[in-house]
Amino acid sequence: AQSVTQLDSQVPVFEEAPVELRCNYSSSVSVYLFWYVQYPNQGLQLLLKYLSGSTLVESINGFEAEFNKSQTSFHLRKPSVHISDTAEYFCAVSDIRNYGQNFVFGPGTRLSVLP
Amino acid sequence: DAGVTQSPTHLIKTRGQQVTLRCSPISGHKSVSWYQQVLGQGPQFIFQYYEKEERGRGNFPDRFSARQFPNYSSELNVNALLLGDSALYLCASSLSDRVPYEQYFGPGTRLTVT
Repeated sequence: AQSVTQLDSQVPVFEEAPVELRCNYSSSVSVYLFWYVQYPNQGLQLLLKYLSGSTLVESINGFEAEFNKSQTSFHLRKPSVHISDTAEYFCAVSDIRNYGQNFVFGPGTRLSVLP
Repeated sequence: DAGVTQSPTHLIKTRGQQVTLRCSPISGHKSVSWYQQVLGQGPQFIFQYYEKEERGRGNFPDRFSARQFPNYSSELNVNALLLGDSALYLCASSLSDRVPYEQYFGPGTRLTVT
């Protein structure tokens, strides 16, 4: 079974400052990794994913995450945040042996971007 | 193109009652998954259906059941409601039941059990 830890439940940061949202996972098998974002009163949207290949993955809106197998981490970073990035961010894992899509989500990190 | 739609948006039920939540996937998507998101927590996987067959089941009691119809829409049923069933129920659809096909989430149904 897999589990996901997001140590920071809330992260306040000033606009245009850099941010890192931490994600660590536990699994006895190889996993796929995902970051989802949830804006208020909306469903989850996929931000980026790691399936294989380059360990650094990027999203279209400036976020990036790096898969570190030795540290079992998949931290999310952005060099300069905007007010519009205020949202809840969820890290998720999926067992690559299981072709299903039953993801295991972390508890989430609420990012608040301050003016 | 319409995204994943869920109905109703909000629902208030009394403990012991039964509830049915509905989900319409994106046109052409054959896989539907259900998740429960309790306030302050991440979503928890309940069921996945693909081509009307159950493909996965999470760690939920038998009070939870689901089905998928020939048009790929889906219903989630919860019997004998408990206070702890209060949550946002999310539906996600996908072209396939396999990663890396992306899951698209609906806005959810907010269930309150009193």
